[in-house]
Amino acid sequence: NAGVTQTPKFQVLKTGQSMTLQCAQDMNHEYMSWYRQDPGMGLRLIHYSVGAGITDQGEVPNGYNVSRSTTEDFPLRLLSAAPSQTSVYFCASSYRDHEQFFGPGTRLTVL
Amino acid sequence: DAKTTQPPSMDCAEGRAANLPCNHSTISGNEYVYWYRQIHSQGPQYIIHGLKNNETNEMASLIITEDRKSSTLILPHATLRDTAVYYCIVTTDSWGKLQFGAGTQVVVTP
Repeated sequence: NAGVTQTPKFQVLKTGQSMTLQCAQDMNHEYMSWYRQDPGMGLRLIHYSVGAGITDQGEVPNGYNVSRSTTEDFPLRLLSAAPSQTSVYFCASSYRDHEQFFGPGTRLTVL
Repeated sequence: DAKTTQPPSMDCAEGRAANLPCNHSTISGNEYVYWYRQIHSQGPQYIIHGLKNNETNEMASLIITEDRKSSTLILPHATLRDTAVYYCIVTTDSWGKLQFGAGTQVVVTP
């Protein structure tokens, strides 16, 4: 199993550009989520999904969209990037048994 | 979800036990205590969780006080690879929606 994979590893955007961060898992996990981590801080939940076709907002959803068309994939879309979205983004998945598996992260800089 | 309080940092000698405290005085009866760690900018890694009873796995032990208002994560024989930020999280969700605080930066020294 590859576990949770995220692409790209690094990305630099200009203000106003859009992009999609990719997240995939091969563990047949129902639950997937996106977090962001700003320097020196803990992770904050952006959006989450309890299964294909079902998504909901977390603590900091503004400026981000998600969709879940398959069990494996959970992309995060930035519609119009802002410098405040400069952060490290982590995707996670779990089945129902308490342990969440996190991906390696995407480091995003918005100029 | 209940709020947790952890010391910002602690040092531990290699080979010794590391005892990481966490205060969660407002915890409710159906909230779990989770511990995750994050090694230098990697994604967080699950360590252990518990509800009422003490728990042990291959990585660590979790001791929860009888009133459930505090807990201690024990790394029995700390190694240099255990240097990380350790997060104590209390939540009713058994699968997700974790609220991460600032955690405890643990530095294991030779």
